[in-house]
Amino acid sequence: AQKITQTQPGMFVQEKEAVTLDCTYDTSDPSYGLFWYKQPSSGEMIFLIYQGSYDQQNATEGRYSLNFQKARKSANLVISASQLGDSAMYFCAMREGDAGGTSYGKLTFGQGTILTVHP
Amino acid sequence: AAGVIQSPRHLIKEKRETATLKCYPIPRHDTVYWYQQGPGQDPQFLISFYEKMQSDKGSIPDRFSAQQFSDYHSELNMSSLELGDSALYFCASSLVAEQYFGPGTRLTVT
Repeated sequence: AQKITQTQPGMFVQEKEAVTLDCTYDTSDPSYGLFWYKQPSSGEMIFLIYQGSYDQQNATEGRYSLNFQKARKSANLVISASQLGDSAMYFCAMREGDAGGTSYGKLTFGQGTILTVHP
Repeated sequence: AAGVIQSPRHLIKEKRETATLKCYPIPRHDTVYWYQQGPGQDPQFLISFYEKMQSDKGSIPDRFSAQQFSDYHSELNMSSLELGDSALYFCASSLVAEQYFGPGTRLTVT
């Protein structure tokens, strides 16, 4: 079964508007981390935001915020005031066993969502 | 701020040849990961190292091997290359929660 599901293959948004990219996850581990990465057409993977399963507040980084709903197992990315440079592939990822030990584990990625920002 | 460095950025090899990819993690990061991203796919975990010891292994072919050296840089060695090995190979490093990726090595096998 898919551990990370991104149901939107593509999304369109008008410049300066907000957009939400959906991500649901599946794990029985009580300790996990959720990540969002941006991959422009040039190929690099850019870290955007991280949310730990025990974090009480939703993570925010500039124009990015993570809408973490633990009971629904969702970790949606909200991009406010979209810019043309936000056009890219966006990946949601999860790391299980995020108990803050000596070594952090691998990421499992979703299928990605291509975001296109229109002028 | 320093980022993860990967070399080479592009590599073209023929079938059955070998390739070595190098990764220099962010200074003081103690964990290195390797991922493979095929065309139009999400990254897949290959292998990771914590403090120079292998810490986890994913779907890495037996033809591939990796190690982490005393200076914390890591190398991914790929032998008997196949057309299906053509992909973007990422190295990532972490110290605490966040995991930062390098720019990737684009390997093309012809």
